[in-house]
Amino acid sequence: EAGVTQFPSHSVIEKGQTVTLRCDPISGHDNLYWYRRVMGKEIKFLLHFVKESKQDESGMPNNRFLAERTGGTYSTLKVQPAELEDSGVYFCASSHPGGQIFGPGTRLTVL
Amino acid sequence: GDSVTQMEGPVTLSEEAFLTINCTYTATGYPSLFWYVQYPGEGLQLLLKATKADDKGSNKGFEATYRKETTSFHLEKGSVQVSDSAVYFCALSDFGDDKIIFGKGTRLHILP
Repeated sequence: EAGVTQFPSHSVIEKGQTVTLRCDPISGHDNLYWYRRVMGKEIKFLLHFVKESKQDESGMPNNRFLAERTGGTYSTLKVQPAELEDSGVYFCASSHPGGQIFGPGTRLTVL
Repeated sequence: GDSVTQMEGPVTLSEEAFLTINCTYTATGYPSLFWYVQYPGEGLQLLLKATKADDKGSNKGFEATYRKETTSFHLEKGSVQVSDSAVYFCALSDFGDDKIIFGKGTRLHILP
């Protein structure tokens, strides 16, 4: 079975620009999570979808971040406008009974 | 709030050496504990987990025992290989809460 995929693998943008990250969960997984790791720090939870509904968005840092999951399949995470401190690796995960399966991450660099 | 503390890296060992990566946690409830690994160029993979006190998780020669009395979940391996070079993350998920709380990660280098 295909794993969790994320696109792009890398993104380099300038401060003030907009970036959209995409996550495709494993087919049939209703639960989808976003996390990010800012350089040298912990991987931190951002939010959790159950199908198309936001179950928990307590980790979203501010209103420059917008996550969507229309139709309950893939999800996007938009950062607008991007700031320098948004640089890091953004991970997506989807869950099955044994636990969350993570994608390879998107490395975002904001210059 | 809940948190995970793990030893700072990088840790550099020779092949066949014994490995310990320390991890302690703080949790309000009764969490499940995990070790994740990220190999170079790859995503996070679940290495092992334990869901209750005194449980031992094991996989690929790695082991960790859930110690409630010391709130610890140290990762061990008796004989490391070059292919074990990676970043290791200790993590927890509190009962009834889906989100995973991670430590900062420990980079492990194994020299041939």
